[in-house]
Amino acid sequence: QSALTQPASVSGSPGQSITISCAGTSNDIGTYNLVSWYQQRPGKAPKLIIYDVNKRPSGVSIRFSGSKSDNTASLTISGLESEDGADYYCCSYRNGRTLVFGGGTKLTVL
Amino acid sequence: EVQLAQSGAEVKKPGDSLKISCKASGFVFINHWIAWVRQMPGKGLEWMGIIYPGDSDTAYSPSFQGQVTMSVDKTINTAFLQWDTLKASDSAIYYCARALRVTDYYALDVWGQGTTVTVSS
Repeated sequence: QSALTQPASVSGSPGQSITISCAGTSNDIGTYNLVSWYQQRPGKAPKLIIYDVNKRPSGVSIRFSGSKSDNTASLTISGLESEDGADYYCCSYRNGRTLVFGGGTKLTVL
Repeated sequence: EVQLAQSGAEVKKPGDSLKISCKASGFVFINHWIAWVRQMPGKGLEWMGIIYPGDSDTAYSPSFQGQVTMSVDKTINTAFLQWDTLKASDSAIYYCARALRVTDYYALDVWGQGTTVTVSS
C-alpha cells in the first residue's frame, strides 16, 4: 500500500522553526484525527513525539507541535536545537484497520 | 519500567523459517495492542500489522498479509513474528511496539530495540 508523502529532507539553523508536511488522502489523514509523528535517531528505535494530530506524550518538549488541514498533516519544531537532527516519520490510520507511515524526512540542523 | 525486549539478531538462508520474539514487562500485556514495524536497510518505517494479546485479534497491512504471521503467548508476556519461507528481501530490522492506549492502536509509545534479520545464501 502507498505510503504517506513527506519531503525527503529539511534543514534549519539553531533557533529557527521548521515544518514537515505529510500528505495523505481522504482514506486516512483527511478523515481521521489519528496522525502520529515519530523521531528516529541513527541506530535507535523510533520515539513517539505527537499523537492524535497535536497531542504530546509526557516528557516531549513543547517545541514540538502538530496540526492538520484537509489531507495534510504537519509537524513544527520551534527553537531548533542540534539534538533535533534526526529522521521524522508521520503515521496515520487508514481505512481497513491499518496504519500507514510516511516515507520519512531527514532533518539537518545547520 | 515499561519495556519491550526483542530477541537477538538472526542470520538465515533463503527458504529458512524464522520466529522472532518481543517480551513485554512493566505493564499489563494483554491490555495493549502490539505492532510490528519493518525497516529495510537505509529505508523508512513500514507498518506490518498489529495483534491484541487479550484475544489474539490481528490486523495485517495488505503488503504483509500472507507473508508473515503474528502471534502471542500470554503466559510469558511475549509476542512473536514468524516467517515460513524467508526471502533475501526480508532482510531488515523488525521492531515491535506497544499501543499507547488500551482502547485502540493508533499511536505507538514503547518500542523494542529492534531485531536485525539477515537473509543471505
